[in-house]
Amino acid sequence: NAGVIQTPRHKVTGKGQEATLWCEPISGHSAVFWYRQTIVQGLEFLTYFRNQAPIDDSGMPKERFSAQMPNQSHSTLKIQSTQPQDSAVYLCASSLGLGDTQYFGPGTRLLVL
Amino acid sequence: GDSVTQTEGQVTVSESKSLIINCTYSTTSIAYPNLFWYVRYPGEGLQLLLKVITAGQKGSSRGFEATYNKETTSFHLQKASVQESDSAVYYCALGEAGNTRKLIFGLGTTLQVQP
Repeated sequence: NAGVIQTPRHKVTGKGQEATLWCEPISGHSAVFWYRQTIVQGLEFLTYFRNQAPIDDSGMPKERFSAQMPNQSHSTLKIQSTQPQDSAVYLCASSLGLGDTQYFGPGTRLLVL
Repeated sequence: GDSVTQTEGQVTVSESKSLIINCTYSTTSIAYPNLFWYVRYPGEGLQLLLKVITAGQKGSSRGFEATYNKETTSFHLQKASVQESDSAVYYCALGEAGNTRKLIFGLGTTLQVQP
């Protein structure tokens, strides 16, 4: 089992550019979560999919951030017009079902210059 | 909303000594949340150390223990004798009740074990 796969591992963008982050959950897992980690705020929930359907995006910034899960094998987090404050490690996690243990990917470190 | 507090940002312990990392939680739910300890070893990803889903129960893994105390709303992590390989960042987390079960994390405690 390869675990949760996230690509790229590192991304540097200029202010105002778009960034797309990819996540491949563990095969057979129906739940996919996105979190963001910064020094100041720590680990924060962004959004959650179950069986590819968006269930809870209460942690997503209202502007510029969007997430999709077009099929069961991958999810994307897109940030439009990136700003320096978007710099963070973005973590994807998957779980077998509701309430089951969440397994985390290695994260994508995003740096916005 | 729900929250998790870890009071120590960094802890330094000598090898073979005992360890306690404090964690308290707050929840607005009438249901008892699931509680977790996650760990990130140097150069590795975040991984589950232990979890407890029933109040009053104890979880254990790799020599670490944590007891779910609903009276004090605490879930402290303990180990009787630490090793240098235990040096890592430890995160206490709460799994929200409801339709998401998203995790609410503490800020983490960096453990440095000195040889």
